[in-house]
Amino acid sequence: QVQLQESGPGLVKPSGTLSLTCGVSGASISSIYWWTWVRQAPGKGLEYIGEIYHSGSIRYNLSLKSRVTMSLEKSKNQFSLKLTSVTAADTAVYFCARGSSSSDYLDYWGQGTLVTVSS
Amino acid sequence: DIQMTQSPSTLSASVGDRVTITCRASQSFGSWLAWYQQKPGKAPKLLIYKTSILESGVPSRFSGRGSGTEFTLTISSLQPDDFATYYCQQYKSFGQGTKLESK
Repeated sequence: QVQLQESGPGLVKPSGTLSLTCGVSGASISSIYWWTWVRQAPGKGLEYIGEIYHSGSIRYNLSLKSRVTMSLEKSKNQFSLKLTSVTAADTAVYFCARGSSSSDYLDYWGQGTLVTVSS
Repeated sequence: DIQMTQSPSTLSASVGDRVTITCRASQSFGSWLAWYQQKPGKAPKLLIYKTSILESGVPSRFSGRGSGTEFTLTISSLQPDDFATYYCQQYKSFGQGTKLESK
């Protein structure tokens, strides 16, 4: 059974950096999937942030690209997200998910973690 | 960027009803579309991928079809567990969601 679990601070100060990690069990992040981040602002819909392939190739939401960094940590079977220069608009539940090799659907999701940007 | 537009935004229905949610893409970008169900406080759950393939464990009352820029999700006979918000996704774009509520 594939499971994903987000972890990281729940509160980040404005202009700071949001850092999250997604631990994966039941699957190897070295296998042919796109490891994906999606967020959902309170009461809003889903927003794609970006994804990283097992090879290290990365795709980003163009609107966030200048602020986003993603990486794989193969020894720990986890992947990470960093979002810089955060504002209140980045307050959201952040989900990690596994994307198909064709990158057209997300079959396993973490439970999500709420990150609030506030001083 | 592709824009995905779902309709309706809210749908009121009763147990046993047949309901259909539509998802339109601003441009054709391949044929594959996915549908997700999300309940409050939970992660989205994959229902259908590649337009019409039911994810393992999803009841057969759910079905998907479509091509080009117009796609649909149909629930043939609504069950109490189906009241939730539904999202379509094509490539990296999600629809805005359709909230299915009890009439």
